[in-house]
Amino acid sequence: DAGVTQSPTHLIKTRGQQVTLRCSPKSGHDTVSWYQQALGQGPQFIFQYYEEEERQRGNFPDRFSGHQFPNYSSELNVNALLLGDSALYLCASSSTSETQYFGPGTRLLVL
Amino acid sequence: QKEVEQDPGPLSVPEGAIVSLNCTYSNSAFQYFMWYRQYSRKGPELLMYTYSSGNKEDGRFTAQVDKSSKYISLFIRDSQPSDSATYLCAMSAGEGSSNTGKLIFGQGTTLQVKP
Repeated sequence: DAGVTQSPTHLIKTRGQQVTLRCSPKSGHDTVSWYQQALGQGPQFIFQYYEEEERQRGNFPDRFSGHQFPNYSSELNVNALLLGDSALYLCASSSTSETQYFGPGTRLLVL
Repeated sequence: QKEVEQDPGPLSVPEGAIVSLNCTYSNSAFQYFMWYRQYSRKGPELLMYTYSSGNKEDGRFTAQVDKSSKYISLFIRDSQPSDSATYLCAMSAGEGSSNTGKLIFGQGTTLQVKP
């Protein structure tokens, strides 16, 4: 049984560019949450998707947007990248009967 | 003041020691409490999951929640070098009767277990 998977594992972008990160949830999970983890810090909640809609959102600007597909997979899009967007982006999936399990993350470097 | 406070360490112990990791929090609405282990450059791995107050034991790991003091702990017995990692506490108010709400994390405590 595959756990949460994310792609790509690493990527490098320049300021002003746009990026799309992808996540496939653990089998049986229908809810996907995205977190940003800066170096030496705990993960910060970006937003959560359930039934293809954004259910909750953290304190992140509108440059951060997402989508959930009918198969429960999800994308995180970040527009107009800033140097401060460099971080590990984590996807977590869950269901009403299971808490959040995390994927390996995508490491984004903005130059 | 952060909602969840966790001493970042680093914490260094000899192999076989008992390790105590702690977090305090300010939001009395938190009902679900988790500990995650994160190895360098990897995603967090769920270790322990507790609802409300009380103790939970799983092998060498024991999680304690004291909601009256807004304080949670993770104890690791007979620590091993493979336990060297960053330990993150996380908590959530939940959504109704299920824990599907956003997680609020502590900063993480870096643990090194020396052979």
